[in-house]
Amino acid sequence: GNSVTQMEGPVTLSEEAFLTINCTYTATGYPSLFWYVQYPGEGLQLLLKATKADDKGSNKGFEATYRKETTSFHLEKGSVQVSDSAVYFCALKFSGGYNKLIFGAGTRLAVHP
Amino acid sequence: EAQVTQNPRYLITVTGKKLTVTCSQNMNHEYMSWYRQDPGLGLRQIYYSMNVEVTDKGDVPEGYKVSRKEKRNFPLILESPSPNQTSLYFCASSSLAGGWGNIQYFGAGTRLSVL
Repeated sequence: GNSVTQMEGPVTLSEEAFLTINCTYTATGYPSLFWYVQYPGEGLQLLLKATKADDKGSNKGFEATYRKETTSFHLEKGSVQVSDSAVYFCALKFSGGYNKLIFGAGTRLAVHP
Repeated sequence: EAQVTQNPRYLITVTGKKLTVTCSQNMNHEYMSWYRQDPGLGLRQIYYSMNVEVTDKGDVPEGYKVSRKEKRNFPLILESPSPNQTSLYFCASSSLAGGWGNIQYFGAGTRLSVL
């Protein structure tokens, strides 16, 4: 079936460190891929997306590239800030899926000064 | 401001006492959906609606009901809540234009505890 696997957290980093959160997927067909972020006490917000192979999504210094050959969509940021502390969800959606998002388990990121 | 509004934000109830969580969106979106979030499982879809009077089950529909009488509202109903429905619930909406790259907008969540 269709699924998303994320690296387990929590991930703890110091401010200005490099961030990678791994995400791989299994899907029939060619899905769109998303990263959503959930700040403490809030709902999910779209962080970035990519709709086809080799697309790079970017926003707020975060980047992720849709890699069809490795079925991956890893999230990266060159220099994290305390304000980036949140839970990050990788998700996929495909045209035949009635608009349903399939989420990974989420990765909690804690950034310390 | 475009938003999805859920109420209440927090709810403690007892087993068997019927409750409704409301969801409203102001973006004229066709699609609305309910998810539950549990530790280690991410978000799982409960029910969804493609438009008024069109609803269907998601992956974990047991114990829940929904209705879509108006385009902006999509309430989640728990007729007889049980402790295994203790969870964090999110409502989401999106346009169906733009194919499978379109964005879903989420409410702030409802934290439900069933004792």
